[in-house]
Amino acid sequence: GAGVSQTPSNKVTEKGKYVELRCDPISGHTALYWYRQSLGQGPEFLIYFQGTGAADDSGLPNDRFFAVRPEGSVSTLKIQRTERGDSAVYLCASSLRTGGFDEQFFGPGTRLTVL
Amino acid sequence: QKEVEQDPGPLSVPEGAIVSLNCTYSNSAFQYFMWYRQYSRKGPELLMYTYSSGNKEDGRFTAQVDKSSKYISLFIRDSQPSDSATYLCAMSADYGGATNKLIFGTGTLLAVQP
Repeated sequence: GAGVSQTPSNKVTEKGKYVELRCDPISGHTALYWYRQSLGQGPEFLIYFQGTGAADDSGLPNDRFFAVRPEGSVSTLKIQRTERGDSAVYLCASSLRTGGFDEQFFGPGTRLTVL
Repeated sequence: QKEVEQDPGPLSVPEGAIVSLNCTYSNSAFQYFMWYRQYSRKGPELLMYTYSSGNKEDGRFTAQVDKSSKYISLFIRDSQPSDSATYLCAMSADYGGATNKLIFGTGTLLAVQP
């Protein structure tokens, strides 16, 4: 079946602009996660949704970052007043939550470049 | 200090070699220990996971967890050029049987030379 998809695959923007990154999870997956991966680093947790609600947003770096999942499926990560330090690959993952080990399946990421 | 430490490499080995990849961690609450493989410009994919301490084997891959030392390892036997990728360790506390947020190491870049 289809995996996690993310759009756009690449986004170039100017400092100070607003961007939206979209994630389509695997169908039926109730949990959705956002991570950020800077060059040469491992992914860093940002936020986790269970259904429509953000169950853990402790990884969001500041109030310029916001994410929504209004219908419990597609999620959008929104970044206001972008800064050059926001340049990274933004990864989305989803999982089924059936109990037991809960594998997170990752999408290919959106590569954000802030000029 | 980071919660999870991993040598970034790069590590270059000849085809057929045994590869050893390692991570150390500081958070005693971690119960799930995972290894992900990430090819260039792709998302990470899960290779193996272990719950608590012990060993787990899957084909050419063996994962080991030593909670007393806070040290985990991944061994790759008979390494192949197709194993060339970045290997990420990841860890999580046990959230009622689920993993929730994963804490990743930096990743080790592995190159297997034919």
